Amino acid sequence: QKEVEQNSGPLSVPEGAIASLNCTYSDRGSQSFFWYRQYSGKSPELIMSIYSNGDKEDGRFTAQLNKASQYVSLLIRDSQPSDSATYLCAVNPSNFGNEKLTFGTGTRLTIIP
Amino acid sequence: DADVTQTPRNRITKTGKRIMLECSQTKGHDRMYWYRQDPGLGLRLIYYSFDVKDINKGEISDGYSVSRQAQAKFSLSLESAIPNQTALYFCATSGWAGDGNTQYFGPGTRLTVL
Repeated sequence: QKEVEQNSGPLSVPEGAIASLNCTYSDRGSQSFFWYRQYSGKSPELIMSIYSNGDKEDGRFTAQLNKASQYVSLLIRDSQPSDSATYLCAVNPSNFGNEKLTFGTGTRLTIIP
Repeated sequence: DADVTQTPRNRITKTGKRIMLECSQTKGHDRMYWYRQDPGLGLRLIYYSFDVKDINKGEISDGYSVSRQAQAKFSLSLESAIPNQTALYFCATSGWAGDGNTQYFGPGTRLTVL
């Protein structure tokens, strides 16, 4: 079983609509969660981090965390063509002293003009 | 100037050659990481270092070695390059544990082994 799972997509969303990206993780004790955006051939860029259950909003982006169900999601409102990219979910596992992140394989998002 | 830099940005080499990829950072972070990225496989951790005297293997360290020359510099070496090491390589850094280990990535090195 993969530690961090994402649907690889591609996920196609019309411009102006809401894009919803999901991620599940296997380690129930995981403490911190991240969403990175990666354009083709470029490096991952941090979009959001979330540590507590519930929603966290930053501009058009909202991260949602549900530790009981072991999933984290990213909503992108008013989707723009520039949002077309691969979105990586990353999780900090719970092992004491373990400061590594575990990444999912990413979901490719395409915004259709 | 970029906080995390990598050199070279692109490299083509031949099977059996030794090659070094370099990473430098001005973020003042203690923790540094090397990843490779292959289509469909996501980011895989090669080596990581929590300070100058601490080096740890990641999930795919075979065929690679690293050197932490200073807090700001972390180099990755391929002792004898082989074609399946063709990939996009990223260096990353992170600061204190209180921010959940947020990692910041360099621009990447595209390596091709012929």
